[in-house]
Amino acid sequence: GESVGLHLPTLSVQEGDNSIINCAYSNSASDYFIWYKQESGKGPQFIIDIRSNMDKRQGQRVTVLLNKTVKHLSLQIAATQPGDSAVYFCAEKTYNTDKLIFGTGTRLQVFP
Amino acid sequence: GAVVSQHPSRVICKSGTSVKIECRSLDFQATTMFWYRQFPKQSLMLMATSNEGSKATYEQGVEKDKFLINHASLTLSTLTVTSAHPEDSSFYICSASAGLPDTQYFGPGTRLTVL
Repeated sequence: GESVGLHLPTLSVQEGDNSIINCAYSNSASDYFIWYKQESGKGPQFIIDIRSNMDKRQGQRVTVLLNKTVKHLSLQIAATQPGDSAVYFCAEKTYNTDKLIFGTGTRLQVFP
Repeated sequence: GAVVSQHPSRVICKSGTSVKIECRSLDFQATTMFWYRQFPKQSLMLMATSNEGSKATYEQGVEKDKFLINHASLTLSTLTVTSAHPEDSSFYICSASAGLPDTQYFGPGTRLTVL
């Protein structure tokens, strides 16, 4: 739903380390989840998605984990690079709607 | 593939004027387009969903007479902010979908500043 906070949670990591960004989703009926990356002044960019019949999906340097029991989603970024610095949003939807519900977002800062 | 464009990328206008923002799907036909609003350091808030050839469905609390949405073709949707005021200043983002179960593809956003 709509975020009401003015301060995004921030994760600071050193270049080369692995990053884990977490998201708690709200609707137990949600069956499709997406991670987006948003750089300053730009629109969200699709990173990876997962359906509820899976608990893990891997992409290039990224892995998404889904725990439906506790309604938790995580994004793991391997060997984090300065170009990964951005705000990351999780989004959820149910099968019978095309509306996405966005999480509050996490800012990832990568230091050299 | 799946490129969505927005125009303009930035607009500054005087209070009381109307501003039109265009959203285009460049390489696919978008049966559904979405308009979002994003304030600084906040998440995306869905304003409305529009299907080609029909009226938009607005989210609760979004004034449909103020935010006019037109989805005249499968590749173009427009958002008109009527009688804009400084509190309408925000980042407006559109997305497009070719229909379930397809995902949404986002445009680059339009920064609106109302003086």
